[in-house]
Amino acid sequence: GAGVSQSPSNKVTEKGKDVELRCDPISGHTALYWYRQSLGQGLEFLIYFQGNSAPDKSGLPSDRFSAERTGGSVSTLTIQRTQQEDSAVYLCASSKNGQGISGYTFGSGTRLTVV
Amino acid sequence: GENVEQHPSTLSVQEGDSAVIKCTYSDSASNYFPWYKQELGKGPQLIIDIRSNVGEKKDQRIAVTLNKTAKHFSLHITETQPEDSAVYFCAASYAGNNRLAFGKGNQVVVIP
Repeated sequence: GAGVSQSPSNKVTEKGKDVELRCDPISGHTALYWYRQSLGQGLEFLIYFQGNSAPDKSGLPSDRFSAERTGGSVSTLTIQRTQQEDSAVYLCASSKNGQGISGYTFGSGTRLTVV
Repeated sequence: GENVEQHPSTLSVQEGDSAVIKCTYSDSASNYFPWYKQELGKGPQLIIDIRSNVGEKKDQRIAVTLNKTAKHFSLHITETQPEDSAVYFCAASYAGNNRLAFGKGNQVVVIP
């Protein structure tokens, strides 16, 4: 597609439930990133996929968070047993990153509200 | 890891005036510095970037300057317009220059 697509755009879930957030990156972009943006805060790195390499999971805040990227394209971020502090906007970005890093293209994000 | 700081946190300017946002970074190995603009309800959008082998880059009303020695870089917006009102994020590459660390953002308000 022309841009990075994320779904759903909004998600309200009850505390303790699991949620799955989806990201469809720009075709041909080998790098995919998940960031979290809390109200009034900057962007917190969560996880990074580059081609077929093992993902860099160093930013995941707890073992309730996991992500996968199938076929080098679509990625899903899963949050298990959601807590209220998980409420935030989850942003996905993709990048070419062929010879060194290049600018990310972000999706519009998924606004997650845990009640 | 990389630590990126932005200041001021909010900036109000009269339409037509210039706006300057400054960022500092900590990792001397960083070599890529983009700026993003985020409007309400949307994802951040890349507006300009600079690499460490360049000191200044300009694109119409927007320019970015980089001082590698002092480890800071700035966004300059000239002849501001109401549509420039947004949150602006700076970022710096780190971790082998494979990803970006972001500042907390600046709210820029252009007063008509």
